[in-house]
Amino acid sequence: KAGVTQTPRYLIKTRGQQVTLSCSPISGHRSVSWYQQTPGQGLQFLFEYFSETQRNKGNFPGRFSGRQFSNSRSEMNVSTLELGDSALYLCASSGQRNTGELFFGEGSRLTVL
Amino acid sequence: SQQGEEDPQALSIQEGENATMNCSYKTSINNLQWYRQNSGRGLVHLILIRSNEREKHSGRLRVTLDTSKKSSSLLITASRAADTASYFCATIQTSGSRLTFGEGTQLTVNP
Repeated sequence: KAGVTQTPRYLIKTRGQQVTLSCSPISGHRSVSWYQQTPGQGLQFLFEYFSETQRNKGNFPGRFSGRQFSNSRSEMNVSTLELGDSALYLCASSGQRNTGELFFGEGSRLTVL
Repeated sequence: SQQGEEDPQALSIQEGENATMNCSYKTSINNLQWYRQNSGRGLVHLILIRSNEREKHSGRLRVTLDTSKKSSSLLITASRAADTASYFCATIQTSGSRLTFGEGTQLTVNP
């Protein structure tokens, strides 16, 4: 069974630009969560999608958005990038809502210059 | 804010020694999970312990949970250089479905 796939793995943007990150969950998993990881803030929850609906949202500004498609693939978008958005963005899928066990992708490393 | 706090923040040991990491959390939980992350990579699920369990084993891993103290510990026995990684505890609160991570313990196992 293929794991969670995130693209791109690395990208460099400049302030003010926008970025879209993609995540393909494990086949059969309908829940996709996104996390931002930085050295200073650790792992911060961004949002969770289940069957194309946003089920949970973290404390991030409206510049951070996401969506999920009917095939469970998910994208997240960050508009008007700031230097502080430089981070590792991790996507995780889950097949069991009652346990919450997550399967993570390798992440997308975003650098904002 | 993070649900869990881990202790120590960093731990350096020699190969063959045991490594113990602790996690404390703030609210009632459904379960507590431990994850491992190699530098710059994604997280890998190690073990899950439910709120009604006190101890669980998986290979060289032993996890304990004390809900009265809102704390958990992860013991890695007979550590290997390949165990070098960051270890995170994560909890799901009884009132929600979101997995919240602690700040992690950076474990270094010296050969």
